[in-house]
Amino acid sequence: GQQVMQIPQYQHVQEGEDFTTYCNSSTTLSNIQWYKQRPGGHPVFLIQLVKSGEVKKQKRLTFQFGEAKKNSSLHITATQTTDVGTYFCAEPLIQGAQKLVFGQGTRLTINP
Amino acid sequence: DADVTQTPRNRITKTGKRIMLECSQTKGHDRMYWYRQDPGLGLRLIYYSFDVKDINKGEISDGYSVSRQAQAKFSLSLESAIPNQTALYFCATSDPGGGNYGYTFGSGTRLTVV
Repeated sequence: GQQVMQIPQYQHVQEGEDFTTYCNSSTTLSNIQWYKQRPGGHPVFLIQLVKSGEVKKQKRLTFQFGEAKKNSSLHITATQTTDVGTYFCAEPLIQGAQKLVFGQGTRLTINP
Repeated sequence: DADVTQTPRNRITKTGKRIMLECSQTKGHDRMYWYRQDPGLGLRLIYYSFDVKDINKGEISDGYSVSRQAQAKFSLSLESAIPNQTALYFCATSDPGGGNYGYTFGSGTRLTVV
């Protein structure tokens, strides 16, 4: 079946260090979404990327969509303890459809 | 009140029992989804519904059934629970109108089958 490869699975950083998680798809995507799940919580929608090469920023978070629309990344600058959680990318199950396939997630832990 | 409410929050049940997980939403969204989450596997789609008369299987529908009782209610049933259905279950809604495709998730139901 369709797979979304997300790496790394785990990342531990010192507070203040940067963090990046990557998603790679076997197919060209119509869009990609990113979610954050705090420990013990539920996934919360962060952003959707649609255009080839798109870059969007939310404060210290930078989201990129690859030129070929097959990969995406989330970069956090100068992590804070509030960034702890698992970050998921999600892609449409079928091109253009709104059923999402989620990556395995990257669990971020931070040493204060 | 939460936009998407799941009940119960936690449930322990015995193998072979029938159990229903319920989801209700106040967002007025037509589209509703059930996912299960297992450690290291992300979220996997069980069933989804794009309106009251529309029910579709997802990636892992075997052993599950759903009912869309109203626009606001979408329930998930395990007809005969088995231990490998122990997981965290999430209901979600979406409304792509206006280009906002993000899902809104409920707080989840942690199900343990013993």
